[in-house]
Amino acid sequence: GAVVSQHPSRVICKSGTSVKIECRSLDFQATTMFWYRQFPKQSLMLMATSNEGSKATYEQGVEKDKFLINHASLTLSTLTVTSAHPEDSSFYICSARVSPSSYNEQFFGPGTRLTVL
Amino acid sequence: DAKTTQPNSMESNEEEPVHLPCNHSTISGTDYIHWYRQLPSQGPEYVIHGLTSNVNNRMASLAIAEDRKSSTLILHRATLRDAAVYYCILGIDDKIIFGKGTRLHILP
Repeated sequence: GAVVSQHPSRVICKSGTSVKIECRSLDFQATTMFWYRQFPKQSLMLMATSNEGSKATYEQGVEKDKFLINHASLTLSTLTVTSAHPEDSSFYICSARVSPSSYNEQFFGPGTRLTVL
Repeated sequence: DAKTTQPNSMESNEEEPVHLPCNHSTISGTDYIHWYRQLPSQGPEYVIHGLTSNVNNRMASLAIAEDRKSSTLILHRATLRDAAVYYCILGIDDKIIFGKGTRLHILP
């Protein structure tokens, strides 16, 4: 199956700093990528949908100025958590869709665990 | 949006079959039924999907009710590595919205 990678897998940062997380589709081109956040013992929450070459679409309640998303190429999307605070500590997961299809298959990255001190 | 209902958790003994139910009474005629699972500290992984007919692959089987208002994911012989949260999802506006899923515990 298609492979999606994330980097870094784990990051610890100080409060107030910005952190960038990369999401790459390794063996396919992804016109659309998605970013999720998951708190302990909870389900994944969709944050935003990222389309190559256009602005991301954010879900209700997600601050677009805090979570900057860039989808500059068909294989790379980045999520930057700006001025991170301890409440931003979470497991961030991206996914990529090969192409629009009737069954909407997505491939997920392994996740990035962010800890803000 | 079509919604799914799954039990919060289930238990099964190792090497026995597991049947994970999902109710989706408001499913539309064009919604595919997808199953993903998430192992601890990992991203979700695709398990299986179907529309109307039952489906089999190397990981599992998907049994879809004739009225499509429910489906069952079948793991034929559970192993400890199958312990995960299993999500039953319907195609919704090209986005995957995760519910709470079923946490499957496998007893050795």
